[in-house]
Amino acid sequence: DAEITQSPRHKITETGRQVTLACHQTWNHNNMFWYRQDLGHGLRLIHYSYGVQDTNKGEVSDGYSVSRSNTEDLPLTLESAASSQTSVYFCASSDRGEETQYFGPGTRLLVL
Amino acid sequence: GENVEQHPSTLSVQEGDSAVIKCTYSDSASNYFPWYKQELGKGPQLIIDIRSNVGEKKDQRIAVTLNKTAKHFSLHITETQPEDSAVYFCAASRGGSYIPTFGRGTSLIVHP
Repeated sequence: DAEITQSPRHKITETGRQVTLACHQTWNHNNMFWYRQDLGHGLRLIHYSYGVQDTNKGEVSDGYSVSRSNTEDLPLTLESAASSQTSVYFCASSDRGEETQYFGPGTRLLVL
Repeated sequence: GENVEQHPSTLSVQEGDSAVIKCTYSDSASNYFPWYKQELGKGPQLIIDIRSNVGEKKDQRIAVTLNKTAKHFSLHITETQPEDSAVYFCAASRGGSYIPTFGRGTSLIVHP
């Protein structure tokens, strides 16, 4: 079955370190998204991509970057991790022309 | 940009009761309104959606209503069961953007 996976599921890192969270989908969806989820804030968009080589900033993009070199993957990089980036991160994808988003299981990141 | 307000933040009901979650949106151009359910430790999953050309949609025990004039939409769950306990998110988006703005979520607790 097609799916969307995230790795690692849990990560502990130190402030100042670079961290990369992986997202991989096998639906061949064009659109991919990264969100962070924090108590009291719901889901906030970090970055999104409409296809290979396309990336766009969301509402909370500072300190994060993404790259889209193929259809299946959209890795999220924290250039220099900060304690404020402790959160649960969700990747999602949707097909071209479709509104429904399919979410991965999430990565829980703790920055000490 | 779009702003989505969701109420209540927490809803506690007895098994068999009905539950109603309400959302308002600000952008009159929004025309797609999905609802996602997030179970503990998992990513959100679409449970029902409605487009602006429809006033109401039902799927078994869940229904969504939309009032375009007032810019609000609601999720109704009848005959609640313990397995309905989860966090529910409403969202709104413009057709063609494929980028929903999410509400902050409602934690629904169904007591057996």
